Amino acid sequence: NAGVMQNPRHLVRRRGQEARLRCSPMKGHSHVYWYRQLPEEGLKFMVYLQKENIIDESGMPKERFSAEFPKEGPSILRIQQVVRGDSAAYFCASSPMGRGEGSPLHFGNGTRLTVT
Amino acid sequence: AQTVTQSQPEMSVQEAETVTLSCTYDTSENNYYLFWYKQPPSRQMILVIRQEAYKQQNATENRFSVNFQKAAKSFSLKISDSQLGDTAMYFCAFMKGGYSGGGADGLTFGKGTHLIIQP
Repeated sequence: NAGVMQNPRHLVRRRGQEARLRCSPMKGHSHVYWYRQLPEEGLKFMVYLQKENIIDESGMPKERFSAEFPKEGPSILRIQQVVRGDSAAYFCASSPMGRGEGSPLHFGNGTRLTVT
Repeated sequence: AQTVTQSQPEMSVQEAETVTLSCTYDTSENNYYLFWYKQPPSRQMILVIRQEAYKQQNATENRFSVNFQKAAKSFSLKISDSQLGDTAMYFCAFMKGGYSGGGADGLTFGKGTHLIIQP
């Protein structure tokens, strides 16, 4: 059973460009979370999605950031008009059950975004 | 909102020694779960151990065990017979239990402890 797959592993964008980060959850998992990790920091929650629905986006900036988890295909985290402050590692995690049931989150290897 | 505090930014021990990483948290919830995750240089987040708040028995997983003190809101991780491969960042994390509707996050992480195992 393949784990959570994220791509690309590294992404370099110039200021003002768009960044698209992809995440394929583990087989059988319909709950996806996105986290951001700044250097020397823990992971900060951004958004929680189930298939075709955003359940909680309280940790995601309202401007320039969006996320989706379509019926078919991977979950996408999209950052428009990137700025240097967006440089970070972005992690995707999935679980078979919704939050609140204590199911551990399984993480991907992350995408390191560098904005030049 | 929940907060998780790891007061040890870095620790270093000799191989085969036992080491304890501390974690405290603040919550008004009664139903929750606690986790320790390990992040080696490869950047992968690996689940180490999980504890249910309503269980008094401390979770164990081979060389890893926790000391869960619910009243003190403390959740320390003990690594016995430490190995070079245990060198990593260790993150303590809190998950609220139950269905709270909108506005609650998945996992709340501490800032981590960098554990170095010396040969």
